Amino acid sequence: RKEVEQDPGPFNVPEGATVAFNCTYSNSASQSFFWYRQDCRKEPKLLMSVYSSGNEDGRFTAQLNRASQYISLLIRDSKLSDSATYLCAVNINTGKLIFGQGTTLQVKP
Amino acid sequence: DTGVSQNPRHKITKRGQNVTFRCDPISEHNRLYWYRQTLGQGPEFLTYFQNEAQLEKSRLLSDRFSAERPKGSFSTLEIQRTEQGDSAMYLCASSSPRGQEADTQYFGPGTRLTVL
Repeated sequence: RKEVEQDPGPFNVPEGATVAFNCTYSNSASQSFFWYRQDCRKEPKLLMSVYSSGNEDGRFTAQLNRASQYISLLIRDSKLSDSATYLCAVNINTGKLIFGQGTTLQVKP
Repeated sequence: DTGVSQNPRHKITKRGQNVTFRCDPISEHNRLYWYRQTLGQGPEFLTYFQNEAQLEKSRLLSDRFSAERPKGSFSTLEIQRTEQGDSAMYLCASSSPRGQEADTQYFGPGTRLTVL
C-alpha cells in the first residue's frame, strides 16, 4: 500500500462547479499536510497548508481528518485556470515530504 | 527573484555520461531537499540537508548519485554513469525550520534530464 494515495482522475468538471479531492495517508505519525498545485511540466507550487481546524483561502477549503487519516481539498466556483494536477503531501516530521500521485482536474467551458 | 533557482533547466546526455545539477535555495532557508519526479507520479524524495549536513538519503539514491552542500548554501546533485532510467525531472526545494511557515517547502523550477 502506498503511503499517500490519491485518485489520479481525471476529474472533468464544467466552469462554476464545485469539486472535491481526497487524499489518504497510512502513517498515523504524520505531522503536517499540504496541497500543491502543479501545471504541466512545471514545479509544484504550494496551494495551502492543511491545519487540524481546517482552513479556507478564497474558493479553496482544506480539511484534515486524523481519525480516518485523510485530507481533502474543495474547490468552489471552479475556473478554467484551476485546470492542473493537485498533489497532496505529508510530512511525518522527518523533514521529507511524501507525495501522492496527484489528481488531475480539467475545467471545461 | 528570491525563489529557489536550479540550473540547468534542461539537460540531454548520453548513457554513461556524468551530469551535475545545481540548486540555490531561498536565502534564509537552511534546509534543502532533492526530489525526482517521473511522468504521472508525484515527486519522490531523494535526500535533504540541514545547513551543510546531509541528514537523510532515500534508498532511491544509488551509489551513482551524490549530493553535496559544502557551505550550507547552494547544493549540487551529481549522477555518474547515467542510465536511461535516470530520465526525470529533478526538483529542489528549501524550507526554514522557524516561523509561521516552518517546514513549508518551496520548489525550484526543476532540471529536466533526458538520457539517450
